[in-house]
Amino acid sequence: GQSLEQPSEVTAVEGAIVQINCTYQTSGFYGLSWYQQHDGGAPTFLSYNALDGLEETGRFSSFLSRSDSYGYLLLQELQMKDSASYFCAVRVGGYQKVTFGTGTKLQVIP
Amino acid sequence: DVKVTQSSRYLVKRTGEKVFLECVQDMDHENMFWYRQDPGLGLRLIYFSYDVKMKEKGDIPEGYSVSREKKERFSLILESASTNQTSMYLCASSYRDRGLGSYEQYFGPGTRLTVT
Repeated sequence: GQSLEQPSEVTAVEGAIVQINCTYQTSGFYGLSWYQQHDGGAPTFLSYNALDGLEETGRFSSFLSRSDSYGYLLLQELQMKDSASYFCAVRVGGYQKVTFGTGTKLQVIP
Repeated sequence: DVKVTQSSRYLVKRTGEKVFLECVQDMDHENMFWYRQDPGLGLRLIYFSYDVKMKEKGDIPEGYSVSREKKERFSLILESASTNQTSMYLCASSYRDRGLGSYEQYFGPGTRLTVT
């Protein structure tokens, strides 16, 4: 089976940088995705890493190390609207089937 | 504007009732998924479908079945609802890719089901 670990809660100050880590144990790994979910809302896609390295999209970056079975999401210049839950998800097979982590609740404080 | 819609935002059913949750997407996606989301457990895959009439079990299929008769519509069926099926149910869809790429999943707004 698959297992993913990420911190349950993180608190950070507005304007700062925060890193949310994700470690995984899977078979047949294809790639690591990140999703954001605001309270009461639907998850929305943020990023996908299939290869080692850093992918940057605006204030958000995502990193993957396949050899370490580890990835992280980096949020820069934090804004209050970034307060949300963030899920890592591993793609483990064809047809884009993914397994989600339990989520990290990020609270941004003034 | 891409859209995944679910038949109900809130639903209350009694134990033993047959429950249908419907999901419709307008993006011509091949893949459709049903998840349930519970506090502290994240999103858990119940079933997914990669084509019309095709289905695959996810991680927690027990007590559920699905139907996909048309490409845009994917139904989740609780044959005999139980209280432990009280949860938020999320539908998602995506394009099918047979390479290393990952097409993002688009989620519907969710159905909060309460079984009493």
